[in-house]
Amino acid sequence: SQQGEEDPQALSIQEGENATMNCSYKTSINNLQWYRQNSGRGLVHLILIRSNEREKHSGRLRVTLDTSKKSSSLLITASRAADTASYFCATDSLTTGGFKTIFGAGTRLFVKA
Amino acid sequence: DGGITQSPKYLFRKEGQNVTLSCEQNLNHDAMYWYRQDPGQGLRLIYYSQIVNDFQKGDIAEGYSVSREKKESFPLTVTSAQKNPTAFYLCATAPGTLEKLFFGSGTQLSVL
Repeated sequence: SQQGEEDPQALSIQEGENATMNCSYKTSINNLQWYRQNSGRGLVHLILIRSNEREKHSGRLRVTLDTSKKSSSLLITASRAADTASYFCATDSLTTGGFKTIFGAGTRLFVKA
Repeated sequence: DGGITQSPKYLFRKEGQNVTLSCEQNLNHDAMYWYRQDPGQGLRLIYYSQIVNDFQKGDIAEGYSVSREKKESFPLTVTSAQKNPTAFYLCATAPGTLEKLFFGSGTQLSVL
């Protein structure tokens, strides 16, 4: 099962524009994380936000978390062609088997130069 | 990719054959994970281990097996019972629970 659902599935923007991706999830969480994946490669961690936090920044990235709506957003400001990749949200939750990290289906971002 | 080595990068499986994907780490991380990724899809959890000699099934464990005899190693065997094994397999590690994951570069498994 996939906990998170990203929206939109795909996004195409011009270089210099901002890109916003959203993630919704179903059950209560401990953390929410965002990862990036270039085609055919492993994932790279971008940012982790804990359930008691509402916003975090890292360089051109801004992540928000609304636990009441079970949703998060990732904003990339002043996008560059090199930001072209797939972006995944992942939720950390306690299950019967212990803590698990579950990924959504991702948003494919294409930044045109 | 850091200190996580997945091998081989490409692997082909014949009908009825078991194949083993290797994942080795030198990060001294306790937790290790195997994920499967189908084209254009997200990652689905196969198995995970939070300590040596212990592991738990993820969401799609059927047709797969693992072992965790050493902290550094978490091999995944794709058995003949897995009828649709073609996918990109990713190994990940973490220092502990509720921490960020570090990923290997993946193994692309295809069926001949």
